[in-house]
Amino acid sequence: QVQLVQSGAEVKKPGASVKVSCKAPGHTFSDYFLHWVRQAPGQGLEWMGWIKPNSGGTKYAQNFQGRVTMTRDSSINTAYMELDRLTSDDTAVYFCARGGGDIDFDYWGQGTLVTVSS
Amino acid sequence: QSALTQPASVSGSPGQSITISCTGTNSDVGNYNFISWFQQHPGKAPKLMIYDVSNRPSGVSNRFSGSKSGNTASLTISGLQAEDEADYYCNSYTSRNTYVFGTGTKVTVL
Repeated sequence: QVQLVQSGAEVKKPGASVKVSCKAPGHTFSDYFLHWVRQAPGQGLEWMGWIKPNSGGTKYAQNFQGRVTMTRDSSINTAYMELDRLTSDDTAVYFCARGGGDIDFDYWGQGTLVTVSS
Repeated sequence: QSALTQPASVSGSPGQSITISCTGTNSDVGNYNFISWFQQHPGKAPKLMIYDVSNRPSGVSNRFSGSKSGNTASLTISGLQAEDEADYYCNSYTSRNTYVFGTGTKVTVL
């Protein structure tokens, strides 16, 4: 059983940046992708992009191009999603999910609530 | 990339079968078999129910089944149970090497 553990809730002001982490204690990301997905309050799921931790390769959804950066620190088996120039529309729960193996999106983090408010 | 189209709500009585549709284009659903379905209960992370159109991960009830025809994928829940009441989302790989989710369907067990 793979567990993905995300960082805690954040409160940010408009215009700021947020960086959310996703760690797989005891497991390595090396053969998988990590997807990032968000869900605004009362809304549906929105795919943001993926990172392949072993190479650092990324692919971002068009809606987030230029504003999102996905990185990883392989030494501590942790991936990060940074979103810049936050607005109230970015208030959402952000999830990481494992992908790219035989079964895509098979394990999910618990979610990180990011609240953007002045 | 526009979200895949799902009905906003579907309902059924216990024991009945329901089907949720997921309509895309020939740039996503119609051209790839990387179609997944997720169940989400309030306040919880999504749970994978179906992958690659019709495969069930280990531990998922065989009451859940998936299929695809043309640009439309479908999730069928047979023998509906109270615990199946949740939101359901489809997801597809796309020709842009990205992924797109459906608009989501609220399933109500009457």
